[in-house]
Amino acid sequence: GQQVMQIPQYQHVQEGEDFTTYCNSSTTLSNIQWYKQRPGGHPVFLIQLVKSGEVKKQKRLTFQFGEAKKNSSLHITATQTTDVGTYFCAGRTSGNTPLVFGKGTRLSVIA
Amino acid sequence: DTAVSQTPKYLVTQMGNDKSIKCEQNLGHDTMYWYKQDSKKFLKIMFSYNNKELIINETVPNRFSPKSPDKAHLNLHINSLELGDSAVYFCASSRSGTSNTQYFGPGTRLTVL
Repeated sequence: GQQVMQIPQYQHVQEGEDFTTYCNSSTTLSNIQWYKQRPGGHPVFLIQLVKSGEVKKQKRLTFQFGEAKKNSSLHITATQTTDVGTYFCAGRTSGNTPLVFGKGTRLSVIA
Repeated sequence: DTAVSQTPKYLVTQMGNDKSIKCEQNLGHDTMYWYKQDSKKFLKIMFSYNNKELIINETVPNRFSPKSPDKAHLNLHINSLELGDSAVYFCASSRSGTSNTQYFGPGTRLTVL
């Protein structure tokens, strides 16, 4: 079945450092979504990427979708303590297939 | 108003008991889901309902039975609870189609003793 691999599993950074999490799929994806889950909270939708090679930005967050639509990344510039949480990618192979979540990257930011 | 709500927020129970978790969404979505998140934070889909009909049923023990009385509700009943059922259970909803952003409820933390 479809698998979505996400690395690293954990990342500890000093406040102000950059952070990147990577997502790879075993199959070509129709779209990929990113979610953030704060400690003790629930996953919250951040963004969806659909087009090959697409790049989207949200303030300090940059999301990329690979040319082959099999990988994606989330990059945070100059992390802040408010960025703490687990970041999940989630992809689907077509509109009717379930969204498959990666195992998440847990980000800790040391002030 | 809360978009996706779940009750209870916490559930502590003994092995062998039967329990239910309720979920309601007021977003007008026609698809609802149940996810299980274990202690390692892995998020795994259990069930998906579209317009009250089951469309996804992942490899889940048949002790778990979802019920959707209408489009806005999806409840999860668990029979004969086991220690391994301890986890956080999230309900979510979305519109149908390819751009179906999922909106998650606050979660129900189930602890089986």
